[in-house]
Amino acid sequence: DAGVTQSPTHLIKTRGQQVTLRCSPKSGHDTVSWYQQALGQGPQFIFQYYEEEERQRGNFPDRFSGHQFPNYSSELNVNALLLGDSALYLCASSFMTGAIPLHFGNGTRLTVT
Amino acid sequence: KQEVTQIPAALSVPEGENLVLNCSFTDSAIYNLQWFRQDPGKGLTSLLLIQSSQREQTSGRLNASLDKSSGRSTLYIAASQPGDSATYLCAVEEGQAGTALSFGKGTTLSVSS
Repeated sequence: DAGVTQSPTHLIKTRGQQVTLRCSPKSGHDTVSWYQQALGQGPQFIFQYYEEEERQRGNFPDRFSGHQFPNYSSELNVNALLLGDSALYLCASSFMTGAIPLHFGNGTRLTVT
Repeated sequence: KQEVTQIPAALSVPEGENLVLNCSFTDSAIYNLQWFRQDPGKGLTSLLLIQSSQREQTSGRLNASLDKSSGRSTLYIAASQPGDSATYLCAVEEGQAGTALSFGKGTTLSVSS
């Protein structure tokens, strides 16, 4: 049974560029959440997708957007990259009905130069 | 806004010691509290989840307690081993199930043999 998978594992981008990160949830899960973890910090909630709609959003600018596909997989898009966007981006999956705990992927390490 | 604090930030112990990691949160109206383990550069692994109606959970050498009224949780690790070396993160979920998690910055544990 595959867990949460994320791609790519590492990515280097230049300021001003755009990036797309991908996540496949654990089998049977229908909800995907994205978190940003800066070095030495705890993860910060970006947004959550369920039924292909953004259901909740954290305190992140509109440069951060996402999408969920009919197969429950999800993408995180970040436009106009800033140096401060360098972080580990974590995807977590769950059931919307509240089946807990959350299952996290290994993340995508984004470096903006 | 929920604030989650973890003390200490770092801890070094010799193998075999029993230890306690502390987590405090400012808003006691939580749905559940979850403890995670994170190895360097990796995703999060759920260790224990305590629902708001519970006071503690145990898994092997790990025991987590929750005191909602005082806004505190502790993670007790018995007979520590070098393989326990990792960062331990506390997270609270507010409101109904499926809402975003608020994380602390974590406690980085090093167990020497």
